[in-house]
Amino acid sequence: EAGVAQSPRYKIIEKRQSVAFWCNPISGHATLYWYQQILGQGPKLLIQFQNNGVVDDSQLPKDRFSAERLKGVDSTLKIQPAKLEDSAVYLCASSHGTGGAYEQYFGPGTRLTVT
Amino acid sequence: AQTVTQSQPEMSVQEAETVTLSCTYDTSENNYYLFWYKQPPSRQMILVIRQEAYKQQNATENRFSVNFQKAAKSFSLKISDSQLGDTAMYFCAFILGSGNTPLVFGKGTRLSVIA
Repeated sequence: EAGVAQSPRYKIIEKRQSVAFWCNPISGHATLYWYQQILGQGPKLLIQFQNNGVVDDSQLPKDRFSAERLKGVDSTLKIQPAKLEDSAVYLCASSHGTGGAYEQYFGPGTRLTVT
Repeated sequence: AQTVTQSQPEMSVQEAETVTLSCTYDTSENNYYLFWYKQPPSRQMILVIRQEAYKQQNATENRFSVNFQKAAKSFSLKISDSQLGDTAMYFCAFILGSGNTPLVFGKGTRLSVIA
């Protein structure tokens, strides 16, 4: 079974530029998550999708971050414009369903550096 | 709101020895799950072990076991016969048993296994 795929793996941009990250979850997984992991901290949920609908985006800075999951499969996370404090690893994860009974599988992450 | 606390930022252990990582959490709910995730350097996060709150028996996975103290809200991870490949960041995480609440992570413990 193929795992969660993410691209790019690394990205360096200047502040005020825009950037987009892509995630392809495990086939058949209805739930998709985007996490932000700042250096020295644990991951923090940004947004959660169930199929192509948003379940939780309470921690997403909506003035600069946006995400979509068209057709309930792949997802894209965008930052526009980027700030220095957005430097972090962005992790995508997927699971069959929501709640603790369903294991979340993580991708390798995209390391973003904003200069 | 649920919180997870890992009080040991860094730990080290000699190869073949045993080490215990600490985790405490705070919740008023009864139905929840606790996890330990491993994040090796530059590699993706993987699930090490899971504990359902309703189960009194401590979970075990090969060399990994937990000490789940529900009343004390404590969830420690014991690694026996430590191997060099166990070197990684270890995150304790919490999620409610049902619903669309997020996985909440601690700040992590960096474990180094020394030859």
